[in-house]
Order: sequence, then structure tokens, then C-alpha cells
Amino acid sequence: AQRVTQPEKLLSVFKGAPVELKCNYSYSGSPELFWYVQYSRQRLQLLLRHISRESIKGFTADLNKGETSFHLKKPFAQEEDSAMYYCALRDQAGTALIFGKGTTLSVSS
Amino acid sequence: NAGVTQTPKFQVLKTGQSMTLQCAQDMNHNSMYWYRQDPGMGLRLIYYSASEGTTDKGEVPNGYNVSRLNKREFSLRLESAAPSQTSVYFCASSSGFGGYEQYFGPGTRLTVT
Repeated sequence: AQRVTQPEKLLSVFKGAPVELKCNYSYSGSPELFWYVQYSRQRLQLLLRHISRESIKGFTADLNKGETSFHLKKPFAQEEDSAMYYCALRDQAGTALIFGKGTTLSVSS
Repeated sequence: NAGVTQTPKFQVLKTGQSMTLQCAQDMNHNSMYWYRQDPGMGLRLIYYSASEGTTDKGEVPNGYNVSRLNKREFSLRLESAAPSQTSVYFCASSSGFGGYEQYFGPGTRLTVT
């Protein structure tokens, strides 16, 4: 079965601390994975995708096929990073995206 | 460009009432999607339209119908609303089907009493 698991509902860190938002997936074959972010009172938007291997707003995510993970990391959290983060997987049929349940990141000073 | 727009932003219905949620995109995208977002459940796909003239069921289609009116517009209809349909509904679109980046609307917050 195709599935995305985000084990943490809420992650609270202090400003300047490292952040790691966990995402594990279940998929046969080569997965295509994404991180979406929803800031307060804003619409959901793409943060990054594993194919592009880019760093956006200081965030990176590496696909680890051995551990079936796609964790989102940032070395130094900022208050403006506070948001809901969703990990998403393109389904095998190419139909749509399968979203995890989301993790709320709260960064305080 | 407005991107993806949704109307209404908020709606309160009584059990058994019907309503249509409207979605439009001005990015000339081929594919459109309807999701619902519930606390602790993430986003779940209700229906999608890979291209104009086609629609298919997603993960949670029961109680909903959709219409791809043209390339720009994709509506979601609740024929007989139930309290379990209280949720935030998001419309999204993408240029290609499946893995291409999806662009989301601002959402419609629906409460069914």
C-alpha cells in the first residue's frame, strides 16, 4: 500500500535550533516526494521536491530509499518557519498526491 | 494572475441541505483536484479531473459529486450535507497529471449543523 507517515503532530523548537520534520513512505518502485507548507492564513504551497534537490528557505530534504524516508531539515530554525508542513507522495498510478497528516512546526524565541 | 480561486470562503449548512463549491484557475492547467482537510487527517483527495471532460474518484468520494465545467472550472457538489462533511475544502490545479506541482486555492470552510 502507498502511504505517507508523519509521526509528529507538533514539533516545538527554539529559534536557532536545528529542525527535522520526519516523513516515511511506503511505495514500490521509485517514489516522487514533495514537501508542502501552509503558513497561517495562507494557502498550501510547494516547498520542495526531491527531484530538484534544491534548498528552499534553508530547508533541505534527502530521499533515503533504504530507510524509506524523506525528512525535512533546517540547521537553524526561524520564527517565520512556524507553519504546518505536509509530506506528499505521487501515487503509483500517477493519479494525484498522497499527503501525510501533517506536522505543525512552532518556533519560539 | 489570481491563480486558483474558490467561492465561498465560508459556509454554514443544515443537515440535508445541498450546495456547490466553486473553483476556477487562470493558469491554463489541465488537471484539477478537490481535497478535504480535517484535523489529524491531513489532506484527502475527494475527486480529480485529469483533463477537461474527465473526472474520477479519489480516496473519499462518498457524498460528493463534481463537474468539470470547462478547462478553468471544477465544482464540487454536496447533494445532502451531513455533519461528517464539516471540513475545509481545497481546490488545486496542476499543469500535468499526477506528479506536477499542484497549486492550491485559499480553501472553503464548511460547517454542517
